Amino acid sequence: DAKTTQPNSMESNEEEPVHLPCNHSTISGTDYIHWYRQLPSQGPEYVIHGLTSNVNNRMASLAIAEDRKSSTLILHRATLRDAAVYYCILRDVRGDGNKLVFGAGTILRVKS
Amino acid sequence: KAGVTQTPRYLIKTRGQQVTLSCSPISGHRSVSWYQQTPGQGLQFLFEYFSETQRNKGNFPGRFSGRQFSNSRSEMNVSTLELGDSALYLCASSLLTGGIETQYFGPGTRLLVL
Repeated sequence: DAKTTQPNSMESNEEEPVHLPCNHSTISGTDYIHWYRQLPSQGPEYVIHGLTSNVNNRMASLAIAEDRKSSTLILHRATLRDAAVYYCILRDVRGDGNKLVFGAGTILRVKS
Repeated sequence: KAGVTQTPRYLIKTRGQQVTLSCSPISGHRSVSWYQQTPGQGLQFLFEYFSETQRNKGNFPGRFSGRQFSNSRSEMNVSTLELGDSALYLCASSLLTGGIETQYFGPGTRLLVL
């Protein structure tokens, strides 16, 4: 599985946008970029995914670099409830079955 | 729809014992995956079941096993427990949508081995 690199931690103020970066320089053409987050004392939850184009959903936006070697998860207005560990994961669309390979993720702290 | 449920939520066992954890997937989901989460190793994939067959397996010893029933409910079993098996065990069910499988995780079972 291709590797991703994320900062260990980031801090944000409440109500401000947050940009969480992810580097994936060895990404292959068939790798989708997935983001999951894990709130304290909960299981991970799906946030968003994309292949080449930028994506938006009710939770966040995903901006993918033109060369696909990096991506950024954007939370438009951080709330205290967004404090979590955010995981950037590559998944090969050709892969047989489900196997998410989690890295260490980015711990996001949100200050009020 | 109800989410993924896992039972029990907390469990204390002693070394050498065995344990069985249960997972009920979201209705209609046929794939169930299991993960182990520890402070040292993070989240690690154990195995995945689809239509009662193991489809993927992670790098864990044979003491870790699982199965899936015809109603997609799954169980995992750990035999001869070791102290290092203390962890949060997470179950996830998934649905194929638009060619992509999104995983939905349960709250986990926290196992403490003494």
